[in-house]
Amino acid sequence: DSGVTQTPKHLITATGQRVTLRCSPRSGDLSVYWYQQSLDQGLQFLIQYYNGEERAKGNILERFSAQQFPDLHSELNLSSLELGDSALYFCASSVGGRADNEQFFGPGTRLTVL
Amino acid sequence: GENVEQHPSTLSVQEGDSAVIKCTYSDSASNYFPWYKQELGKGPQLIIDIRSNVGEKKDQRIAVTLNKTAKHFSLHITETQPEDSAVYFCAASINQAGTALIFGKGTTLSVSS
Repeated sequence: DSGVTQTPKHLITATGQRVTLRCSPRSGDLSVYWYQQSLDQGLQFLIQYYNGEERAKGNILERFSAQQFPDLHSELNLSSLELGDSALYFCASSVGGRADNEQFFGPGTRLTVL
Repeated sequence: GENVEQHPSTLSVQEGDSAVIKCTYSDSASNYFPWYKQELGKGPQLIIDIRSNVGEKKDQRIAVTLNKTAKHFSLHITETQPEDSAVYFCAASINQAGTALIFGKGTTLSVSS
């Protein structure tokens, strides 16, 4: 158990809908990272927050947004969902905000868009 | 853009044999190279990492080597066991964004007894 929690574990929704994924980092970690894992693209970095501020941005679509709250939990919002958004979404956390800080991954949320 | 290539995509070995997975990266400024193991239905778990000022690191049956000149690094697992069966990912830090990791596409390792 990494100490990172994600809810929900599974989410099934329809095209065009909007969903919110939630992540609680390990106690003491200030950084939260979001990744998308699909069969053809592997693990893709989406976005990072450090102590409430956006720190780095990867291949995140404009339909997706995220935020980190004062209690350091984070939410990833996915809107106007398409079939291709079906994937595993992982959250990871680390103590600091640098790329060479060890990242601990949560168990993931499996999103299915029908 | 920055890229990490990982080979092979699948690897099957007999219990007790060694397994080697290789990765190459494109960003010469990368300075941190972790390896993750992902079991079915779980998130990736860090198993070993290496930084650019070190050429080799070992932890029991697992070792990682880094060649900065050639921009490649490798994972070596010795005396493989069935519980080593999983998907392994290499990653490299990318510094244009300041703080992110870029991952290889993964290697599915199967260890048969």
